[in-house]
Amino acid sequence: QKEVEQDPGPLSVPEGAIVSLNCTYSNSAFQYFMWYRQYSRKGPELLMYTYSSGNKEDGRFTAQVDKSSKYISLFIRDSQPSDSATYLCAITSGSARQLTFGSGTQLTVLP
Amino acid sequence: ETGVTQTPRHLVMGMTNKKSLKCEQHLGHNAMYWYKQSAKKPLELMFVYSLEERVENNSVPSRFSPECPNSSHLFLHLHTLQPEDSALYLCASSQGVKWRQGPSYEQYFGPGTRLTVT
Repeated sequence: QKEVEQDPGPLSVPEGAIVSLNCTYSNSAFQYFMWYRQYSRKGPELLMYTYSSGNKEDGRFTAQVDKSSKYISLFIRDSQPSDSATYLCAITSGSARQLTFGSGTQLTVLP
Repeated sequence: ETGVTQTPRHLVMGMTNKKSLKCEQHLGHNAMYWYKQSAKKPLELMFVYSLEERVENNSVPSRFSPECPNSSHLFLHLHTLQPEDSALYLCASSQGVKWRQGPSYEQYFGPGTRLTVT
């Protein structure tokens, strides 16, 4: 079983749609949950992070963590063509020196 | 220059060549990383350096040899590569790899070197 599973997509939505991106993980020791965004021909950039369970909102983006289900989500409201990118979830424990990444979901928002 | 830079951006090499990838960070960070990104696969951490000391080496074949001469520069020396080594190689930096030194979850990535081994 992979430590982090992520729906690969590709996912294509019309502009203005609500997008839901998800990952599941297997190790209950994970406490820090990140979402990175990677545009074509660029490196990933940190979009949001959350600690433990709960929700975190930043503008049109909401990160949600459900530790009981080992399930994390990123919601994008009012999606824009500029949101078209690959979204990577990344998870770590407090003492780990490295992040465990999902394989990424490719999102296209159509104008 | 700002952020994390990588050179070259593209590299084509034969299996018998020797080449080096270069990474430079302008963020004042003290940890640097090499990752391999292949299509449809998760980012694979290759090496971690903290304060110029290698702290992680994730069972990477010896044909990949990292070098960190100072906290701003990181190299990946390549020799006798295989076609399956073709991938995007990403460099990243962070404030630290231990929580007391700062959150290592916030990593800043360079644009990567697209490597093709023929």
